[in-house]
Amino acid sequence: EAGVTQSPTHLIKTRGQQATLRCSPISGHTSVYWYQQALGLGLQFLLWYDEGEERNRGNFPPRFSGRQFPNYSSELNVNALELEDSALYLCASSLVLGPQNGPYGYTFGSGTRLTVV
Amino acid sequence: ELKVEQNPLFLSMQEGKNYTIYCNYSTTSDRLYWYRQDPGKSLESLFVLLSNGAVKQEGRLMASLDTKARLSTLHITAAVHDLSATYFCAVDNGSSNTGKLIFGQGTTLQVKP
Repeated sequence: EAGVTQSPTHLIKTRGQQATLRCSPISGHTSVYWYQQALGLGLQFLLWYDEGEERNRGNFPPRFSGRQFPNYSSELNVNALELEDSALYLCASSLVLGPQNGPYGYTFGSGTRLTVV
Repeated sequence: ELKVEQNPLFLSMQEGKNYTIYCNYSTTSDRLYWYRQDPGKSLESLFVLLSNGAVKQEGRLMASLDTKARLSTLHITAAVHDLSATYFCAVDNGSSNTGKLIFGQGTTLQVKP
């Protein structure tokens, strides 16, 4: 079974540009989550998509946005890049059991290393 | 807001020794996760603990959960060099399904031969 796949592996952008990161979940998983792992800041929750809808977002500015496609793959877009956006961006997927039960386990992809210069 | 704290944050140990990593969290949560991360790599799922008293073991690692004390432990038995990595615990945001994992700071384990 293929795991969570992310592309590209590495991305170098200039400050002010836009970056697009992509994620394909495990087959059958309907939820996709995005996390940022910046040096010194730990793992921070960015966004949760389920069934094509944004269900929750973390404490990030609106220039961090994304979407989920009908095949459950997802894009993360970061506009007006700043130097501090340099980080490893991790995507995860899960099966959502229901509103009260929550997901049983999250599987993470290998990440996209974004460098803003 | 839910907070998750790990200690120690750095652990250097000799091969063959035992040690425990502690994970405390601040509010009610019945789901606790342990992950391993090698440098520059993604998160590898180690354990999912779903109920009070849950204990899971895989090889030299054993994890347990005490929801009353809001504490999970990751015990390492007879450490080997291959276990050198950073270990994270994480919890869901309580009983409401927010899709949000709160991670601890991570514990970097260095096992010396």
